[in-house]
Amino acid sequence: DGGITQSPKYLFRKEGQNVTLSCEQNLNHDAMYWYRQDPGQGLRLIYYSQIVNDFQKGDIAEGYSVSREKKESFPLTVTSAQKNPTAFYLCASSTGQGNTEAFFGQGTRLTVV
Amino acid sequence: SQKIEQNSEALNIQEGKTATLTCNYTNYSPAYLQWYRQDPGRGPVFLLLIRENEKEKRKERLKVTFDTTLKQSLFHITASQPADSATYLCALGDTGRRALTFGSGTRLQVQP
Repeated sequence: DGGITQSPKYLFRKEGQNVTLSCEQNLNHDAMYWYRQDPGQGLRLIYYSQIVNDFQKGDIAEGYSVSREKKESFPLTVTSAQKNPTAFYLCASSTGQGNTEAFFGQGTRLTVV
Repeated sequence: SQKIEQNSEALNIQEGKTATLTCNYTNYSPAYLQWYRQDPGRGPVFLLLIRENEKEKRKERLKVTFDTTLKQSLFHITASQPADSATYLCALGDTGRRALTFGSGTRLQVQP
């Protein structure tokens, strides 16, 4: 089955630690995205990538880092510099041609303890 | 700055009625607009896309309108069912950034 997979579903992190969220897709999509969702709010764009080995900052990139070494994978690292990391993180992919739908993973809920 | 507004209050309707959700935007000239459904604790699922040169799109019980003069999209669910209860998000896209900008969503509750 084609799709986009995020892992883990739940993640707990101690303050001051970096943590990496996984996102893998087998849809052969060029573009991948990371969004953050806080309770009662919409999705805010963290980073996006239109092609392998290239990515751009979104609206709230501070405290986050990404890599795009393979077409299928777009991991997100939440660094200790992120002041309020507790949130629901969503990864998505699309053909990148514009005018096309985005396919989302099931999300990772990160909690700082 | 760009702003997308969706009614933050939940919409409660009776089963069988038509639900109408609104998406307004400012300081934006989108090339297209999309609607997604999101269930609690899950990722959004795509429903419909409408382009700037289209006025209306339909898919089964769903209908979307797009008025670029009013800077507004309306999303209708006819003959609503309790299973339609979810949060509905509108998202705008342009030919530049190629990443969608989302509204905060409206929660729909369909009462049996």
